[in-house]
Amino acid sequence: EAGVTQSPTHLIKTRGQQATLRCSPISGHTSVYWYQQALGLGLQFLLWYDEGEERNRGNFPPRFSGRQFPNYSSELNVNALELEDSALYLCASSTGQPKRTDTQYFGPGTRLTVL
Amino acid sequence: GDSVTQMEGPVTLSEEAFLTINCTYTATGYPSLFWYVQYPGEGLQLLLKATKADDKGSNKGFEATYRKETTSFHLEKGSVQVSDSAVYFCALLKSGGSYIPTFGRGTSLIVHP
Repeated sequence: EAGVTQSPTHLIKTRGQQATLRCSPISGHTSVYWYQQALGLGLQFLLWYDEGEERNRGNFPPRFSGRQFPNYSSELNVNALELEDSALYLCASSTGQPKRTDTQYFGPGTRLTVL
Repeated sequence: GDSVTQMEGPVTLSEEAFLTINCTYTATGYPSLFWYVQYPGEGLQLLLKATKADDKGSNKGFEATYRKETTSFHLEKGSVQVSDSAVYFCALLKSGGSYIPTFGRGTSLIVHP
């Protein structure tokens, strides 16, 4: 069974540009989560999508947005890139029937570098 | 709000040494507790979990016991290997809330031959 996949692996942009990151969840999973992992800051929750709807949002500005497609894959868009957006962006999926025993399954991440 | 506190790293050990990584949490209700591991260049993967008090999670020689009285979930391994070098994240998840896990900041483990 294929795991969570993310593309691209690396992305280099300049300040002010837009970045688009993509994620495909494990087959049968309907929930997708996005996290930012900046150096020394651990995982910061960005967005949660389930069944095509945004279910929750972390403490990030509106220039961080995304969507989930009918096949449950997801895109994260970051507009007006700033230097401090440089980080590893992780996508995770789960079964979408929220319960406190849920395990999240993570992809390998997209390394975004803003110059 | 909910929080997870892990010991600061890096933790540096020699091969075959005993490992403890401390994790304490603050949460209302009855969370489940998790340890995730991130190997270099990879995403996180579940190492073990425990869903109620006194449960012990175990996997690949690692163990952690859910201690409600001390709000702790310390990770232990009796004999570490070089291949265990990674970053370890403690996390909690509870029902009736946002269903978003709360992660600790991660503890880097470096094992020398």
